[in-house]
Amino acid sequence: DQQVKQNSPSLSVQEGRISILNCDYTNSMFDYFLWYKKYPAEGPTFLISISSIKDKNEDGRFTVFLNKSAKHLSLHIVPSQPGDSAVYFCAASLLTSGTYKYIFGTGTRLKVLA
Amino acid sequence: DGGITQSPKYLFRKEGQNVTLSCEQNLNHDAMYWYRQDPGQGLRLIYYSQIVNDFQKGDIAEGYSVSREKKESFPLTVTSAQKNPTAFYLCASSRRTGNQPQHFGDGTRLSIL
Repeated sequence: DQQVKQNSPSLSVQEGRISILNCDYTNSMFDYFLWYKKYPAEGPTFLISISSIKDKNEDGRFTVFLNKSAKHLSLHIVPSQPGDSAVYFCAASLLTSGTYKYIFGTGTRLKVLA
Repeated sequence: DGGITQSPKYLFRKEGQNVTLSCEQNLNHDAMYWYRQDPGQGLRLIYYSQIVNDFQKGDIAEGYSVSREKKESFPLTVTSAQKNPTAFYLCASSRRTGNQPQHFGDGTRLSIL
């Protein structure tokens, strides 16, 4: 049972436009959400996060939106740059028996076209 | 610079052989994690450890073993019981308290000879 889902395996966007990556989750107990960026043959790099008590968090060109009622979060990148081309993973955190566990989505490959 | 170092970057395993993947961090993080990534799939949790000398099974622990004798080190052994070991393995660490992002190493790609 996939608790965190990224239904779009890939996305292509023109340079300078907005990229919107989506993520859905099923467990209402998740209380912290993260986005990671990953280049081939490298480990994921943390991008931005949001607590479940907020609905928006912004960091430069990156904004994460959380809609708890819909169990949906999205990452907006504005403006998109060719260097943003990578695989993006969303993740959700859950405190279980005193331990934080992270559940990852399957990733969305973003290609920004110059 | 603080970070997580995984070695080797590429590893080959023969049938019936155990292999050990190294993970070292100098971030002074208490919690460490091992994930497996297969093509088209997300990261799946193999084992995790919150403190030295303690670790718990993740979602896909069968065929793997770990140890946590030092805070900085969390090696993963892929045993011969793991019948499909070919994958990209990622080690991560984080602070133990509160919601914190994980920091990842650059991974080890394991293949079968």
